[in-house]
Amino acid sequence: GAGVSQSPRYKVAKRGQDVALRCDPISGHVSLFWYQQALGQGPEFLTYFQNEAQLDKSGLPSDRFFAERPEGSVSTLKIQRTQQEDSAVYLCASSGRTPKSQETQYFGPGTRLLVL
Amino acid sequence: GQQLNQSPQSMFIQEGEDVSMNCTSSSIFNTWLWYKQDPGEGPVLLIALYKAGELTSNGRLTAQFGITRKDSFLNISASIPSDVGIYFCAGNAGGTSYGKLTFGQGTILTVHP
Repeated sequence: GAGVSQSPRYKVAKRGQDVALRCDPISGHVSLFWYQQALGQGPEFLTYFQNEAQLDKSGLPSDRFFAERPEGSVSTLKIQRTQQEDSAVYLCASSGRTPKSQETQYFGPGTRLLVL
Repeated sequence: GQQLNQSPQSMFIQEGEDVSMNCTSSSIFNTWLWYKQDPGEGPVLLIALYKAGELTSNGRLTAQFGITRKDSFLNISASIPSDVGIYFCAGNAGGTSYGKLTFGQGTILTVHP
């Protein structure tokens, strides 16, 4: 079946621009996660949804970062007034419904954001 | 916050050799996961471990969940060129951190034919 998909795959933004990154989770997956991966580093947690509820946003680096999942399926990560330090790969992951499957996250290909 | 120390940072091996890498944590995890990431792609799940002491295999890959719940290792036997990539360990602490994976820094594997 289809995996997690993300769009766009690449985004170049001028400093100060707003960007929106989209994630389509695996069909039927209730949990959705956003991570930020800097060059040469492991992914770092940003935020987590269960259905439409945002249960944890402790990893969002500033109030310029905002995520939503209004219908419990597709999610959008928005970054306002982008800064150069926002340049990174933004990864989306989803996980299933059962307790064990909820702990196993499947990742999309990522969106590579470059802020000039 | 929680930290995962993954070692080695990089490995250069000959095709056919076995590989071992590990992760240690300062705190307990309920789940350990191992991922492989190729350039320009997202991490791909290799093995998931859910119980302390659990030993799980996936083809030439074997991983174990340490009995202290603070460490895990991944072995790759008889390496082949397509094993090249970056391997990450990740842990889920559960509780109030439920849903949040903490990742190691990655092990870069290079396999020479």
